[in-house]
Amino acid sequence: QSLLTQPPSASATPGQTVTVSCSGNRSNIGTNYVHWYQQLPGMAPRLLIYNTNRRPSGVPDRFSGSKSGTSASLAISGLRSEDEADYYCGAWDDNLSGWMFGGGTKLTVL
Amino acid sequence: QLQLQEAGPGLVKPSETLSLTCSVSGGSINSGNYYWGWVRQPPGKGLQWIGSVFNTVNIYYNPFLESRVTISVDTSKTQLSLKLTSVTAADTALYYCATSPGSFDPFDIWGQGTMVTVSS
Repeated sequence: QSLLTQPPSASATPGQTVTVSCSGNRSNIGTNYVHWYQQLPGMAPRLLIYNTNRRPSGVPDRFSGSKSGTSASLAISGLRSEDEADYYCGAWDDNLSGWMFGGGTKLTVL
Repeated sequence: QLQLQEAGPGLVKPSETLSLTCSVSGGSINSGNYYWGWVRQPPGKGLQWIGSVFNTVNIYYNPFLESRVTISVDTSKTQLSLKLTSVTAADTALYYCATSPGSFDPFDIWGQGTMVTVSS
């Protein structure tokens, strides 16, 4: 099964801004909202960004999302050690008629 | 606040059927206000959507798994269930149940997951 494309890893130092990319096609990101999940070690995924750029209650505004064409990005500013986690993008895929996720990006805070 | 709790056998033999349940508390499983779904995560890998159900009877599956998957809702037990037939080692994964407020809305509440290993 195809996945949305994410870089396997990213890293940055505390206080910096890091960006995670997510690439798809017209049937998913190009047409539908993108959502982002954070998965801390040993935990279930947590919805971090929904509808491309909206934050659920309780998510700090250090986290932001954007989309252009068939690609999307998650930006984390003022990086903190507790942001070290796996990040997944997801989008509804019209061809699949279901949810498609990225392979995940492991963020390391140096 | 909705809470989800998965349960399963832990170990399943190749070619057998994997059966999981997800107990729902803090809300009604047949209220029609939620979409319920199953997502799995093979060890060290990403998330894979298995299928979703709405209003207990509107069910749709990942085409890559559809021939082997059955999702159902037991309203008397407030449980969501998943059956996956003819399992292989590739089905070894952490299985999550999750819910969303609409068919195109992201899963915003997740269970803690239950690990299933396929091995003889």
